Formats: sequence, C-alpha cells, structure tokens
Amino acid sequence: DVKVTQSSRYLVKRTGEKVFLECVQDMDHENMFWYRQDPGLGLRLIYFSYDVKMKEKGDIPEGYSVSREKKERFSLILESASTNQTSMYLCASSLSRVGEQYFGPGTRLTVT
Amino acid sequence: AQSVTQLGSHVSVSEGALVLLRCNYSSSVPPYLFWYVQYPNQGLQLLLKYTTGATLVKGINGFEAEFKKSETSFHLTKPSAHMSDAAEYFCAVSRTAGTALIFGKGTTLSVSS
Repeated sequence: DVKVTQSSRYLVKRTGEKVFLECVQDMDHENMFWYRQDPGLGLRLIYFSYDVKMKEKGDIPEGYSVSREKKERFSLILESASTNQTSMYLCASSLSRVGEQYFGPGTRLTVT
Repeated sequence: AQSVTQLGSHVSVSEGALVLLRCNYSSSVPPYLFWYVQYPNQGLQLLLKYTTGATLVKGINGFEAEFKKSETSFHLTKPSAHMSDAAEYFCAVSRTAGTALIFGKGTTLSVSS
C-alpha cells in the first residue's frame, strides 16, 4: 500500500510567520504534488515536482515555494503566511505523470 | 484551457436509491479520467480510473463509471446507495500537456435513511 504522510493534521500560525508543511511518500514515486482545497473551489495545484530538485509551478503558486531535496520528501513553504492562505493542504504522489495520485490525509492550516 | 465540470455541488439520495454523479470535461485529446472520494477530515481515495480500453470501468465500493467520448462525460454511478457512501466526490482528468491532474470542484453526496 502506498503511504503518503503529512507532518501535521492541524496547524495554527500567525500572519507573517514562515510555515513549513512536510510530505513524505514511501513508494519511490517520481512525482509529488501540493494542492490546496477550499470549499466550492475543489483542489487547486500549487506546485509539483517530477524529480529531486526539480519543480514546476501549478495554477496558484503565488505566496508559496517548495523544496525537494530527497525523492521521498516534498516540502511546501509559506514564506510569510497570510490569512488568505488559511486552507486545507493536500500532498500527493504518483508513479507516472498522468497516472493516479495517492493522497496524504491533509493539513488544515489556520493563519490568524 | 482544459476544464472539468461536476454538475451539482450537492446530491441527496435515499438509502437504496441510484447514485448518479455527473462529470464533463474538455480536452483536445482523450484524457485519463479519475473519480476520487473524500470522507470528512481525510485525504482523497481513488475510486476508479479510465485510461484506455473498456469504457465501462468498475471501481471500489460498488461504483462504476462510463467514459463517453462523444459526450465528453465520465459519470459515476452506483445502483444502490448506502449510508457509508456519504462523502465528497471529485472527478479529475489528466492534462494534455505536462503532468498533474485537473480536478472538478466536487459533489457532496448525502444519503438519508
């Protein structure tokens, strides 16, 4: 079974803080993804990575950056958290670029 | 631009009734298609997928979906709803360029006894 884990289920941060969300997968997948999920908007792609140290912007990258130093780990960074970044963040991984994605349980981030 | 449209943000059915969740997509080439389910406070779980071959795809928990190229649709059905089916359902398609998937906005399924 593919397992994707995220470092926190719930996180509360203050405006202006630097926030790190960590994601680890155990299936040696090449591709990893970060999405944010908001009511009525579905899942929107923030960034993805198709190899170590490789990344591409998704549909809503503004205010975010990512890091992939090891194949199994993909980090999402909020350089200076703002209240409009309060959301559910979902990490996923996949073996192929267009194949099924396996999701972590999500991190519900609240920025106050 | 590619898009995925899920008709109806909320669908309510009675236990034992047919479940029909609609998904239409726009794509210049036949895409790969997916349905995911999300239970409260959990991540997304794959229900079923279409890549190539048979257009009627069976998934977990008794769900199935049919790829209709002429209608650019991939509707999800289940003959008899169960209380445990109450969840949010997402349709997704592969992008024609690059990687990642495009997700619809989701449909919340409520099942009443």
